[in-house]
Amino acid sequence: GESVGLHLPTLSVQEGDNSIINCAYSNSASDYFIWYKQESGKGPQFIIDIRSNMDKRQGQRVTVLLNKTVKHLSLQIAATQPGDSAVYFCADGRGTGKLIFGQGTTLQVKP
Amino acid sequence: NAGVTQTPKFRVLKTGQSMTLLCAQDMNHEYMYWYRQDPGMGLRLIHYSVGEGTTAKGEVPDGYNVSRLKKQNFLLGLESAAPSQTSVYFCASSILGPRDNEQFFGPGTRLTVL
Repeated sequence: GESVGLHLPTLSVQEGDNSIINCAYSNSASDYFIWYKQESGKGPQFIIDIRSNMDKRQGQRVTVLLNKTVKHLSLQIAATQPGDSAVYFCADGRGTGKLIFGQGTTLQVKP
Repeated sequence: NAGVTQTPKFRVLKTGQSMTLLCAQDMNHEYMYWYRQDPGMGLRLIHYSVGEGTTAKGEVPDGYNVSRLKKQNFLLGLESAAPSQTSVYFCASSILGPRDNEQFFGPGTRLTVL
């Protein structure tokens, strides 16, 4: 079936370095993607989204890149901080009420 | 604004018992959603609502029922709980559908079914 998946379950980076979290999707018709951050014991929090008519979108310290050719997107976090430690999910927003979440990548920031 | 709140935060049930999870939002959002999250997995959509008085099935609706009698509330019911329903349940809301606006999530309800 259709799916959204992340490449690595865990990513460990040094504080101050840049982080890159990857996600692959299988549905060629998917045209809207969202990244969420989930801190321990909390609900997911919206980070940034991107539509398929864009290749790149930037937010505060975050950038999402979309490569429709290989059905891949990535979340880049600049100058990673301890507060960035969390689980990150990509989600495929393919239809009304239907967000399909990936399994999540745990980002660990080493001091 | 309190945002999205969920009641209760924790619950332990025995197999066969029933319960209702309450979600409330004070942002006047049209859309509301119930998800479950199992260890090491992403969120899976159980049911959702596109407005007061409406409900629709999501990805994993079996064993659950929902009601949206008031715009601000979305209830998730388990009629006969099973151990497979042990999970963390999240409620979310959005102004429009997920293609147009971000979803705001509640803090979750941790349910254990023995």
